[in-house]
Amino acid sequence: QVQLQESGPGLVKPSETLSLTCTVSGFSISGGYYWAWIRQPPGKGLEWILSLYHSGNTYYSPSLRSRVTISVETSKNQFSLNLTSVTAADTAVYYCARVVTATPGTPDYYFDYWGHGTLVTVSS
Amino acid sequence: EVVLTQSPGTLSLSPGERATLSCRASDSVISRYLAWYQQKPGQAPRLLIYGASTRATGIPDRFSGSGSGTDFTLTISRLEPEDFAVYYCQQYGGSLWTFGQGSKVEIK
Repeated sequence: QVQLQESGPGLVKPSETLSLTCTVSGFSISGGYYWAWIRQPPGKGLEWILSLYHSGNTYYSPSLRSRVTISVETSKNQFSLNLTSVTAADTAVYYCARVVTATPGTPDYYFDYWGHGTLVTVSS
Repeated sequence: EVVLTQSPGTLSLSPGERATLSCRASDSVISRYLAWYQQKPGQAPRLLIYGASTRATGIPDRFSGSGSGTDFTLTISRLEPEDFAVYYCQQYGGSLWTFGQGSKVEIK
């Protein structure tokens, strides 16, 4: 059973860096899939942040690309998100998810397993 | 970047009724690479449909997806109490993933 668990501080001060880790169990993050971060501001819709491959290939949302960095720790089966210079607009539930394709070699990408999400509030 | 617009914003229906949700893309979606998710309060989204019309594992057959190009539909044939939730469409194209803004199905 694939499980994802987000972890990190629930409160971050404005202008600081938001750091979250996703720990995957039941499946190796080196197992040939992309992995993603997605967020959801309170009461609003879903916003894709990035999708990464364990070897380093990463796709970013154009609106967040300049403030996002990622890291992958394959030995711990974890990947992490860093979002710099946060403001109140970055307050959201942050989800990690697995990206799959129904047909290998085609761009039919969607998210099949999700973490429960973690609420990060940006406030002084 | 393809923008997905969902309608209606809110649908008020009674259990047993049929729900029809629309997702319109600003540009033609690659082939039929569109997915639908269900989200209940306090929960992560759950994959319902991928490839525009294929139900994910464990999804009841009252859920069906259709469409191609720029117009897609999620239909719930007979609403069960557990189906009242928010539904999102999602597509991939040009190395970007995008979601629609969501449609809420509420109890009338």
